[in-house]
Amino acid sequence: QVQLQQWGAGLLKPSETLSLTCAVYGESFSGYSWSWIRQPPAKGLEWIGEISLSGSPNYNPSLKSRVTISLDTSKKQFSLRLSSVTAADTAVYYCARTDTAMDPYFFDYWGQGTLVTVSS
Amino acid sequence: SSELTQDPAVSVALGQTVRITCQGDSLRNYYASWYQQKPGQAPILVLYGKNKRPSGLPDRFSGSTSGGTASLTLTGAQAEDEADYYCNSRDSSGNHLVFGGGTKLTVL
Repeated sequence: QVQLQQWGAGLLKPSETLSLTCAVYGESFSGYSWSWIRQPPAKGLEWIGEISLSGSPNYNPSLKSRVTISLDTSKKQFSLRLSSVTAADTAVYYCARTDTAMDPYFFDYWGQGTLVTVSS
Repeated sequence: SSELTQDPAVSVALGQTVRITCQGDSLRNYYASWYQQKPGQAPILVLYGKNKRPSGLPDRFSGSTSGGTASLTLTGAQAEDEADYYCNSRDSSGNHLVFGGGTKLTVL
């Protein structure tokens, strides 16, 4: 059974860098992409970006200048960094396994979510 | 605004059938995947590809696509189906993924 466990700082000040990590248990790391998705309070889901072992990261154009997604294959973990955060970045952040066996990709396993609040 | 458009809210009587739609130009070329989210929980995948359900999902959920509209049909709605539903597919460029704004389903 695949499980994604995520963690990271939950309270940031404006201009700081958000950093979250997601660990993958129970399944191979290869053969899939790994995504980050966020949800502002009382709003809908927003895809942030994804990364696979074989390709370059792919980011939401609206966040591309501030986002970095990376992999640590030895630990079966992937991470999100979002720089220069503002209150608009306050959201629950989810990590998700992305099945790339067909197009378009889809998210078949999700982490538990991490609430990140940006406040001075 | 999202490139995938969903009705903000839909209601259905217990045991009846309801369709939740997702509209967008990219859906003329791509299928949508669908996610169910209950309050305080992470979303779960309910449909993907051409009407495929993950293992364990009840067969009262089905999907279809026609032109630029993808649909999730719930046949025989149950109280536990009350949730927010989101569609996801590629954007108009085909290079990125995008979610619809979500539909709140109320089971009466």
